[in-house]
Amino acid sequence: EMQLLESGGGLVQPGGSLRLSCAASGFTFNTYAMNWVRQAPGKGLEWVSIVDSSGDGTKYADSVKGRFTISRDNSKNRLYLQMNRLRADDTALYYCAKSDCDSTGCYTVDYWGQGTLVTVSS
Amino acid sequence: DIQMTQSPSSLSASVGDRVTITCRASQSISSYLNWYQQKPGKAPNLLIHAASSLQSGVPSRFRGSGSGTDFTLTISSLQPEDLALYSCQQTYSLPPTFGGGTKVEIK
Repeated sequence: EMQLLESGGGLVQPGGSLRLSCAASGFTFNTYAMNWVRQAPGKGLEWVSIVDSSGDGTKYADSVKGRFTISRDNSKNRLYLQMNRLRADDTALYYCAKSDCDSTGCYTVDYWGQGTLVTVSS
Repeated sequence: DIQMTQSPSSLSASVGDRVTITCRASQSISSYLNWYQQKPGKAPNLLIHAASSLQSGVPSRFRGSGSGTDFTLTISSLQPEDLALYSCQQTYSLPPTFGGGTKVEIK
């Protein structure tokens, strides 16, 4: 059974950093691109970033470009999101999300984790 | 960025009713349109991809249609388990963007 399990969320002060992690199982991790998608409380979904199956190619939303870094470790079946210079408007539930193909153009998500909550507040 | 506008933002319907949700793109996106269902407290689930292709395992009462800028998600006979937030997503260009969502409630 396919599973995506996020961790690393929590309360952080503005300007601080967090590293999210996602453990994947039940599928061939190194053949699919992976995404982070977030949802602020009571709001709609917002795509954050994508990394291709090899980890060489990445794309970011303008709202996080230069502050967030997506990466993956295919030997450990893990996806990461390093978040720096966090702001109040980064507060959201962050979902680890599997693409349906392998490149950074594969924006269709066919499986989602349950999410990890990031709260940025003083 | 391509803006995705959904309507209505919420609706209430009875079990067995036909429900229609619309999604409009700010520019043509061909058929690069997905629909997701998000039940309360749960992660989203892909219902429809490429505007009209039913994802494996999704009940046949869900149907997607449209191309260009105007798209529709239809639930042919609403069921109690269809209580959810429904969101469209364009995958035509970076960044992929979502509509604001339509909350479906059961009368």
